[in-house]
Amino acid sequence: GAVVSQHPSWVICKSGTSVKIECRSLDFQATTMFWYRQFPKQSLMLMATSNEGSKATYEQGVEKDKFLINHASLTLSTLTVTSAHPEDSSFYICSAPGQGWVKNIQYFGAGTRLSVL
Amino acid sequence: AQTVTQSQPEMSVQEAETVTLSCTYDTSESDYYLFWYKQPPSRQMILVIRQEAYKQQNATENRFSVNFQKAAKSFSLKISDSQLGDAAMYFCAYRFQGGSEKLVFGKGTKLTVNP
Repeated sequence: GAVVSQHPSWVICKSGTSVKIECRSLDFQATTMFWYRQFPKQSLMLMATSNEGSKATYEQGVEKDKFLINHASLTLSTLTVTSAHPEDSSFYICSAPGQGWVKNIQYFGAGTRLSVL
Repeated sequence: AQTVTQSQPEMSVQEAETVTLSCTYDTSESDYYLFWYKQPPSRQMILVIRQEAYKQQNATENRFSVNFQKAAKSFSLKISDSQLGDAAMYFCAYRFQGGSEKLVFGKGTKLTVNP
């Protein structure tokens, strides 16, 4: 099946710094990727839809300037948490739809745990 | 807007027994997909099973099967012969067939498997 790689798996940063998270589709192309945020013991909350070659589409209530998304190639989307603060600490997950007969299935990265001190 | 409801925050089952997780959803669309994803302690989301709304036949994947009731907007997951490795959070998800590919998730059910 399709594989989505997410890096890093865990990052600790100081308050006020920026952190970049990468999401790669390893064996398929993804014109669209999705970024989620998950709080402990809660469900996944969609933050934004990443579109290759164009601007991301953000969900209501998500700060565009805080969470910068870039989808510069068909296999890579990045999420940058700018000027991170402790309240940004969370688990971030990306996903991409498969291709062909699995195009209706979302494949997920392993997630990134962000801890802001 | 579409919503997905999982009314069981937690469930438990004895090893080798059968358990059913409930999911209901609300949509005005007729063409859509439904999914069950599993999130073990590693937090990697894993697809368990999917169902196309236009198919009347319930999907089955080995020990996992669904009971899809389109009119009632119900999509329950049955796990047979439960194994310790089935312990995880289970999320029910909906996706409209047209337009955006984004998923709408329920709040999840934590499944514990007792030896």
